[in-house]
Amino acid sequence: GAVVSQHPSRVICKSGTSVKIECRSLDFQATTMFWYRQFPKQSLMLMATSNEGSKATYEQGVEKDKFLINHASLTLSTLTVTSAHPEDSSFYICSAQFTRLNTEAFFGQGTRLTVV
Amino acid sequence: DAKTTQPPSMDCAEGRAANLPCNHSTISGNEYVYWYRQIHSQGPQYIIHGLKNNETNEMASLIITEDRKSSTLILPHATLRDTAVYYCIVSHGQNFVFGPGTRLSVLP
Repeated sequence: GAVVSQHPSRVICKSGTSVKIECRSLDFQATTMFWYRQFPKQSLMLMATSNEGSKATYEQGVEKDKFLINHASLTLSTLTVTSAHPEDSSFYICSAQFTRLNTEAFFGQGTRLTVV
Repeated sequence: DAKTTQPPSMDCAEGRAANLPCNHSTISGNEYVYWYRQIHSQGPQYIIHGLKNNETNEMASLIITEDRKSSTLILPHATLRDTAVYYCIVSHGQNFVFGPGTRLSVLP
């Protein structure tokens, strides 16, 4: 199947700093990528939908100024957690799909963010 | 909110078939049923999806009832590596909403 690569897989940062997470579709073009967050023992929660060449659409309750999303090309979307705090510590996961509807989404391996 | 209902947990003996049920009584006519699984600390892995016909691939089979209000994912010969959380999702294919899923434990 198609491959989505997420980097880094694990990051520890100090409170107040910013962290960038990359999501790449390796062998297909994705006009839409999705960003999820998962807290321990909980399910994935959609944070935002990232559209190539346009502004991301954020879910209710997700601060767009804190979680900056850039989707500059058909194979790369980035999520930047700005001014990170310990409560931002979580497992962040991206997904990407082919441009046509009713196809499966492919997920990255996730990024474990720990803010100390 | 997720539009599916799954049992929170299930056990299955190694080598036996695992049958994971999912209710989706409010599914609309053009929504597909997708199944993913998540092994601890990894991203979700696609398993299978279908609209109304039964589907089979190298990983599993998907049985969808005629009224499309429920489905069953079948892992024909479960192994210890199939221990994971299994998510049933209904979607047009552009927005995947994850519920709590079913935690499947394959026992030796």
